Amino acid sequence: KAGVTQTPRYLIKTRGQQVTLSCSPISGHRSVSWYQQTPGQGLQFLFEYFSETQRNKGNFPGRFSGRQFSNSRSEMNVSTLELGDSALYLCASSPALQDSGTQYFGPGTRLLVL
Amino acid sequence: GNSVTQMEGPVTLSEEAFLTINCTYTATGYPSLFWYVQYPGEGLQLLLKATKADDKGSNKGFEATYRKETTSFHLEKGSVQVSDSAVYFCALRGRDDKIIFGKGTRLHILP
Repeated sequence: KAGVTQTPRYLIKTRGQQVTLSCSPISGHRSVSWYQQTPGQGLQFLFEYFSETQRNKGNFPGRFSGRQFSNSRSEMNVSTLELGDSALYLCASSPALQDSGTQYFGPGTRLLVL
Repeated sequence: GNSVTQMEGPVTLSEEAFLTINCTYTATGYPSLFWYVQYPGEGLQLLLKATKADDKGSNKGFEATYRKETTSFHLEKGSVQVSDSAVYFCALRGRDDKIIFGKGTRLHILP
């Protein structure tokens, strides 16, 4: 089975721009979560989607949004980028909600905001 | 709110040494507890988990016991190898189903 894939792997943007990141979960997995990883704050939960519905959200401003499609693929969008948004964005998938703690992570998208 | 605190690294040990990485948590109710590992150049992967008090998770020679009385989930291994060099993250999933990660502990094993 192919693992979680994320595109693009690297991205450079400037302040004020917006960005869309994509995540394809493991085949058959219906839950997708997003995390932001920075050296200072560590791994922080952004949101979780299951069956196209956002079921959980972390403490991030409204500039961060996401969605999930019927094939379970997910996208996250960050609008009006700030320097502090530079981070590694990780996507993780789980087979089902009941086992959502057991997550399979993708390699991440490294975003640099200049 | 829920939180996870783990010992800061880096931790440097010689091969075959005994490893302990401390992890304590704050949560209401009975969270599920996890250890994830990130090897150099690879993605995060689940190492082991425990879902109720006194459960012991184990994998690849690593163990951690869910201690409700001390709100701890310390990671241990009796004899580490160079290939264990990685960053280790303690995490919990609380009643709100959000997963909270610790800041990570970098482990260096010297041959």
